[in-house]
Amino acid sequence: NAGVTQTPKFQVLKTGQSMTLQCAQDMNHEYMSWYRQDPGMGLRLIHYSVGAGITDQGEVPNGYNVSRSTTEDFPLRLLSAAPSQTSVYFCASSYLAGGANVLTFGAGSRLTVL
Amino acid sequence: DAKTTQPTSMDCAEGRAANLPCNHSTISGNEYVYWYRQIHSQGPQYIIHGLKNNETNEMASLIITEDRKSSTLILPHATLRDTAVYYCIVRVPYGGSQGNLIFGKGTKLSVKP
Repeated sequence: NAGVTQTPKFQVLKTGQSMTLQCAQDMNHEYMSWYRQDPGMGLRLIHYSVGAGITDQGEVPNGYNVSRSTTEDFPLRLLSAAPSQTSVYFCASSYLAGGANVLTFGAGSRLTVL
Repeated sequence: DAKTTQPTSMDCAEGRAANLPCNHSTISGNEYVYWYRQIHSQGPQYIIHGLKNNETNEMASLIITEDRKSSTLILPHATLRDTAVYYCIVRVPYGGSQGNLIFGKGTKLSVKP
């Protein structure tokens, strides 16, 4: 059982380039989300999805797009990379456990924008 | 959402119990208390959650006060591998955006030999 798989693990971009961070889960979880983490900071929610075909914005959505065509995949797209998007990105999926929302995280994708 | 207050950092001797406090004085009746931890550079890891009763699993125990305004995560026999940032989060049950977990800065626990 692989859990939540993120690719790539590391990426360097130039300002203005676009790219997609991939996230896949094999646990049949309905809920998926993307967070970013900057040095010395907690995680901030970018976008989330409560099921296939349904996405919504989190705390810091600007500069990012998402889609959810399948239950398994939740890619995060950077439309025109900026140095402020240099960060570590974590994807998570979750299930209900007695009414609570228990997240399983991927290992992270470290992005540097020059 | 109820906000949480945690100490910035704590130390614990290896083999001793680590008690991590969390204040959530504005918690509402249907909000769960969650604990996650993040070991350096890794993705956060779920530890435990609870609503009203104390909870225990293979990783830790969660003690919630009767008025639910504070809680304590207990690692009964801390090891060096427990060195991490521990996040206390309160949130309503899953349901659209209300199910999102909002992470603060957490407590940096350092377990020392």
